[in-house]
Amino acid sequence: GDSVTQMEGPVTLSEEAFLTINCTYTATGYPSLFWYVQYPGEGLQLLLKATKADDKGSNKGFEATYRKETTSFHLEKGSVQVSDSAVYFCALSDLANSGYALNFGKGTSLLVTP
Amino acid sequence: DVKVTQSSRYLVKRTGEKVFLECVQDMDHENMFWYRQDPGLGLRLIYFSYDVKMKEKGDIPEGYSVSREKKERFSLILESASTNQTSMYLCASCELLAGAGGELFFGEGSRLTVL
Repeated sequence: GDSVTQMEGPVTLSEEAFLTINCTYTATGYPSLFWYVQYPGEGLQLLLKATKADDKGSNKGFEATYRKETTSFHLEKGSVQVSDSAVYFCALSDLANSGYALNFGKGTSLLVTP
Repeated sequence: DVKVTQSSRYLVKRTGEKVFLECVQDMDHENMFWYRQDPGLGLRLIYFSYDVKMKEKGDIPEGYSVSREKKERFSLILESASTNQTSMYLCASCELLAGAGGELFFGEGSRLTVL
């Protein structure tokens, strides 16, 4: 079935460092891909998304490109801030597999230090 | 702004008790979901509902049931709570299916401890 694999954390970076969180997926159809973020004590919220191959999602300085050839959707940010400390979840949903719900990765915890 | 409200942030229950977790959304969304979140396991889907009185099992429905009598409200029920149901429970709703690029809106979660 459909699944998402993302790099395990925790990831600890200094402020202004470059961030990459790897995410690869397995799907039978043509899924939509998402990054959700969970700040401490809060629920998840959508960070960015891409619905077809070669699309780039971007928000708050974060970017991810839907790469069908490598089945990947890696999250990047050029210069992280302390306020980016959170847990990041890669997710997919595939209309070929009902398309109702999201399949989430296990999450990657990011800690940014001053 | 879309708001998904979960009735209890923290609950402590005893083994064998019946537990109700309530979720209300204010944006007239058709679709609602219950996930549980556990460290190292991420989010796993328990049940979802695509219309009033309609429900579908997710990946881990055992030990749970749900109720959707009104469009805005989706309840998760633990008929007889067990210690392995200690977890964070997240409710979500959406209008457009995630498979079509729709965004899920999440509540803040209900942390349940079963003693």
